[in-house]
Amino acid sequence: GQNIDQPTEMTATEGAIVQINCTYQTSGFNGLFWYQQHAGEAPTFLSYNVLDGLEEKGRFSSFLSRSKGYSYLLLKELQMKDSASYLCAVTTSGGSYIPTFGRGTSLIVHP
Amino acid sequence: ETGVTQTPRHLVMGMTNKKSLKCEQHLGHNAMYWYKQSAKKPLELMFVYSLEERVENNSVPSRFSPECPNSSHLFLHLHTLQPEDSALYLCASSQEGQDDEKLFFGSGTQLSVL
Repeated sequence: GQNIDQPTEMTATEGAIVQINCTYQTSGFNGLFWYQQHAGEAPTFLSYNVLDGLEEKGRFSSFLSRSKGYSYLLLKELQMKDSASYLCAVTTSGGSYIPTFGRGTSLIVHP
Repeated sequence: ETGVTQTPRHLVMGMTNKKSLKCEQHLGHNAMYWYKQSAKKPLELMFVYSLEERVENNSVPSRFSPECPNSSHLFLHLHTLQPEDSALYLCASSQEGQDDEKLFFGSGTQLSVL
């Protein structure tokens, strides 16, 4: 089976930087997704990491360490609209590549 | 707008009712999914259709019955549900064979079973 762990809730201040961690235990790891979900809306794709290292995309960056079973999502210059749930999801090789999701981290950005 | 449309957005039903959730994707994808999202729990995969064939059925009770008449449409037929089935039901689509095969989600149907 797969075990994906991320914090339930985080708070941060507008303009600051926040790091949301995700750890996973799985066999046949293939890649890791991050999705953003605003309340009442569809989850939307943020990033996909397969190789070790940091991928930067504007204010958002995602990091992966395959050997440590660890990823983080880094959000810079936080804005109020970044208040949302951030979902970590892992795919494994060996048949289907359907992602398995963690519980999500609810991020609250305050002024 | 993600290119995946779900109707209805909200649904309240009694335990003896029969209802259907509808999903339509306008992205030309070849795989469609049903997920269940309950408070404080991870997204739970229910069903996957690839090229209109069901390829995954994640031990879902028979009171949930999926239907995929073509690659653009997916239904979830509901009958004799239980109050614990109240949740957000999300549809998603993807293009199998791409490097990342990311999912595109609809906004979901918020289901309340009384």
